[in-house]
Amino acid sequence: AQSVTQLDSHVSVSEGTPVLLRCNYSSSYSPSLFWYVQHPNKGLQLLLKYTSAATLVKGINGFEAEFKKSETSFHLTKPSAHMSDAAEYFCVVSDGISGGYNKLIFGAGTRLAVHP
Amino acid sequence: EPEVTQTPSHQVTQMGQEVILRCVPISNHLYFYWYRQILGQKVEFLVSFYNNEISEKSEIFDDQFSVERPDGSNFTLKIRSTKLEDSAMYFCASTTGLYGYTFGSGTRLTVV
Repeated sequence: AQSVTQLDSHVSVSEGTPVLLRCNYSSSYSPSLFWYVQHPNKGLQLLLKYTSAATLVKGINGFEAEFKKSETSFHLTKPSAHMSDAAEYFCVVSDGISGGYNKLIFGAGTRLAVHP
Repeated sequence: EPEVTQTPSHQVTQMGQEVILRCVPISNHLYFYWYRQILGQKVEFLVSFYNNEISEKSEIFDDQFSVERPDGSNFTLKIRSTKLEDSAMYFCASTTGLYGYTFGSGTRLTVV
């Protein structure tokens, strides 16, 4: 069965410093992996998606993630944090082989705080 | 950019009452979903819907829950007799199956 583990429940960074949000996955198949962001009282917004193409995936707002099969990791990074990046971030794996429409399995989330 | 629209944004209901949560998926999408997030917990899958029938449901999705696509545009989640533990944020999502899932902004259901 597919699962994801987000290694940090809270991450705090200063504005302008790099962001690293860690995610490990478990999958019987070649997985489809996603990062979603949830700002307070808002819905879930897709940041980026990996579906077995390039291992380095670029997303919106300067975020990127690297798929490392040997480490079963899909960490999210950003070179320089902005105050507006403060939010909850979810690492997500798609259940099943095709990944195109199977249900999503969410990690527990990482709350990112950005300080001036 | 196309959006998934959910109404209402917030609903308060008394325990035992029926509620209907409404969603308008993106028009060319074929697969529809409901997820929920109890405060402080993970986002959980409830049900998926394709070709006018349920394709998969979780153990949470018991007989108290039902889904419907009554008119080809709306996608509804009905809870027949709400319990306190049904209080959560409910998210609707849709996809073509190719480019990823689009989520609505959610309906916060509070059962009192």
